[in-house]
Amino acid sequence: QVQLVESGGGVVQPGRSLRLFCAASGFTFNTYDMHWVRQAPGKGLEWVALISYDGRNEYYTDSVKGRFTISRDNSKNTVYLQMNSLRVEDTAVYYCARDFNWAPGYWGQGTLVTVSS
Amino acid sequence: DVVITQSPLSLPVTIGQPASISCRSSQSLVYSDGNTYLNWFQQRPGQSPRRLIYKVSNRDSGVPDRFSGSGSGTDFTLKISRVEAEDVGVYYCMQGTLWYAFGQGTKLEIK
Repeated sequence: QVQLVESGGGVVQPGRSLRLFCAASGFTFNTYDMHWVRQAPGKGLEWVALISYDGRNEYYTDSVKGRFTISRDNSKNTVYLQMNSLRVEDTAVYYCARDFNWAPGYWGQGTLVTVSS
Repeated sequence: DVVITQSPLSLPVTIGQPASISCRSSQSLVYSDGNTYLNWFQQRPGQSPRRLIYKVSNRDSGVPDRFSGSGSGTDFTLKISRVEAEDVGVYYCMQGTLWYAFGQGTKLEIK
């Protein structure tokens, strides 16, 4: 079955960087687009980024454009989220999700990123 | 930007009774291919979100048939025919027509 396991979260100071990982299994990874979605503590869901199945196309929500980069390594069945110039408001649980029927259809358990001085 | 508005934000329901959540978009969600990319998600306490419905009215695999989605254009509804205790959580609509945007969420609780 589809499994997505996120890692890389932690506590980081404002302005610093962090890289998140999402290890995928149970499906043919290189045929699916992948998403990152985040959820600030006690708040709702916010879509963050999407990468196409072949890695050629990337899309971002406005608040992270120029700071975050989504990428993937289809040989390792892994998708990444490089987060630079982190802000306090980036504090959230970050979920990796596989696209299915044109939206995040399968979700991981999430990894918590805390941006604090 | 597309704004998605859900109502109500809080929904107390008696077990066995129906429940309904509204989702309204500031723009039509009909895509150029004729499809409407409106999804519904459930997030139980302490869990990751789970999608229930895609393209307005299609249930994901394993979703009980007491959940149904309907609507068109800018107005959409998620209905639960008979609420069960396991349905407690927050429900989100999400549009995927004009990039992606979630509603604020509706917290369903048992009376």
